[in-house]
Amino acid sequence: DAKTTQPPSMDCAEGRAANLPCNHSTISGNEYVYWYRQIHSQGPQYIIHGLKNNETNEMASLIITEDRKSSTLILPHATLRDTAVYYCIVRVANYQLIWGAGTKLIIKP
Amino acid sequence: GAVVSQHPSRVICKSGTSVKIECRSLDFQATTMFWYRQFPKQSLMLMATSNEGSKATYEQGVEKDKFLINHASLTLSTLTVTSAHPEDSSFYICSAESGGTPDTQYFGPGTRLTVL
Repeated sequence: DAKTTQPPSMDCAEGRAANLPCNHSTISGNEYVYWYRQIHSQGPQYIIHGLKNNETNEMASLIITEDRKSSTLILPHATLRDTAVYYCIVRVANYQLIWGAGTKLIIKP
Repeated sequence: GAVVSQHPSRVICKSGTSVKIECRSLDFQATTMFWYRQFPKQSLMLMATSNEGSKATYEQGVEKDKFLINHASLTLSTLTVTSAHPEDSSFYICSAESGGTPDTQYFGPGTRLTVL
């Protein structure tokens, strides 16, 4: 079973920041937090991952709480093309990914 | 990021025939490749894990004689669905890792299989 809890759906206005929460209260010290997204009828796309520190790349920022029990993925300026299902996954290094239901993010014009 | 391709993107076949799907890592060498299946409105389900030159490791409930996996090189893995039936119709997705800690799986675009 997936070790994460995400809201089933969220809306965000185009141009605004999209903040996607994820709870992983049973995360172990050696487990990473990964985020992927899947646009309809396509393969998942890697977004970002982190262990303890906040991370930022060209796509998004990942904010991990100090106790590591939750995290937030931030898309700073959402566009219509960011409409997708977003998956938060905790994973021991190099072990398999276990997929939950994810959050369906809808960007509205 | 790393690029993974799949071929074909879509295939329709008759019941009882076999279908081969190719997965290639285009700009890196993949020490490990994975095959997933996804039914409509469901999450990805891992079918098997393969390492180059080794036999694939199948998840519980996945028939290894029906879903043949070959990982002959560091850039190519194939999945053959043998004697396909309508219930095998699904979205098949591969992913690849290049090694390192932690490693990241990069996914192909998927193959839509429809068995008539």
